[in-house]
Amino acid sequence: LAKTTQPISMDSYEGQEVNITCSHNNIATNDYITWYQQFPSQGPRFIIQGYKTKVTNEVASLFIPADRKSSTLSLPRVSLSDTAVYYCLVGVSYKLSFGAGTTVTVRA
Amino acid sequence: GAVVSQHPSWVICKSGTSVKIECRSLDFQATTMFWYRQFPKQSLMLMATSNEGSKATYEQGVEKDKFLINHASLTLSTLTVTSAHPEDSSFYICSANSDLGQTDQETQYFGPGTRLLVL
Repeated sequence: LAKTTQPISMDSYEGQEVNITCSHNNIATNDYITWYQQFPSQGPRFIIQGYKTKVTNEVASLFIPADRKSSTLSLPRVSLSDTAVYYCLVGVSYKLSFGAGTTVTVRA
Repeated sequence: GAVVSQHPSWVICKSGTSVKIECRSLDFQATTMFWYRQFPKQSLMLMATSNEGSKATYEQGVEKDKFLINHASLTLSTLTVTSAHPEDSSFYICSANSDLGQTDQETQYFGPGTRLLVL
């Protein structure tokens, strides 16, 4: 399983863009990059998934450089309700390993 | 799409009793489901992979006789914590693979979790 490294915590303010970078130097050819959001006492919620280049959906964008050794989750114009733990996972669907995640705190 | 439910959402039981937690995929069929455990302020730890119609695959260090997993249908997996003890108190989360995601790769979708407190 590819090991991932992401910042432990990040602070932001309402309306700002938050970018969380995840390093995964030993990503395998078949691995996808998936990001989840988790609120306290809830199961992780799928945010976005990608393999290469850029992926965008209604809540976030995922930027993946050509070498795929890192990825950046971009949350546009965050609000207080975006305060959560964000996990970057690399692998295939049948084997995912959660790291410590990034605690994002959004302040008013 | 890709909704996973769990029941119960929380349970309190006495030490020595058994507790069953259900995990259902509501709008898709899942041949593979996963069970995780999460202690306070920690990340999710995979306990086992549940395969429909066959035995579950347990991660190293997880006692298969204590955490019984049954995946009898394509929409239901159950986790039974047998002879529960206070140290089994935790947040148990299931997930299921679905190809309803945005890519051609199956994605894991998670249930809301079950809080277990063993007294």
